Amino acid sequence: DIQMTQSPLSLSASVGDRVTITCRATGSIDTYLSWYQQKPGKAPKLLIHSASSLQSGVPSRFSGSGSGTEFTLTISSLQPDDFATYYCQQTVGTPLTFGGGTKVEIK
Amino acid sequence: QVQLQESGPGLVRPSETLSLTCTVSGDSITTYYWSWLRQPPGKGLEWLGYIYHTGSTTYKPSLNGRITISAEPSKNQFSLRLTSVTAADTAVYYCARVRANWGRYFDFWGQGALVTVSS
Repeated sequence: DIQMTQSPLSLSASVGDRVTITCRATGSIDTYLSWYQQKPGKAPKLLIHSASSLQSGVPSRFSGSGSGTEFTLTISSLQPDDFATYYCQQTVGTPLTFGGGTKVEIK
Repeated sequence: QVQLQESGPGLVRPSETLSLTCTVSGDSITTYYWSWLRQPPGKGLEWLGYIYHTGSTTYKPSLNGRITISAEPSKNQFSLRLTSVTAADTAVYYCARVRANWGRYFDFWGQGALVTVSS
């Protein structure tokens, strides 16, 4: 199985900050990676697929990059609505697997 | 707009079978793949399996044959059965639409259904 590891596990940031979350895979997954945002009590929401393609309707302050085994999700200017937990998912190998999540909290 | 809604019992006894149904609106299940995932309380996301409209299925191997996903196109529904459940199967269960243009990822999700395994 391809294991996904996110860092940090949590972070505290202020509105307007630039935030970066890292996701690493145990084997090369090319650009077969997606990012999701989840708020408490809600289903995950797809933000980015194919490592860097912004899902329709997602604000442009979200961006993704990377290939192979290392990926990043960047929020260019953190907004109040962005405080949530973020998950990466490798989309190529079965079983499909997720990172453990990164919780973004208000500083 | 595609919408998914999970339904089924919220409480299942240990060793029995968990059964959930996902009703899809705004799209036909005869297109795309359709998946089940779960999230134990306070923990991360786990993919369980998916079904294609042809009836072809792919499951997480570590479920060791306990899982069955089936589809009923006439009702635009697909279902999950998980046998021999234990407390470790307690989770919020999500159904989701799978996009398969570049890998397999989930673009529309149901709201989730909490299933507790307890006697």
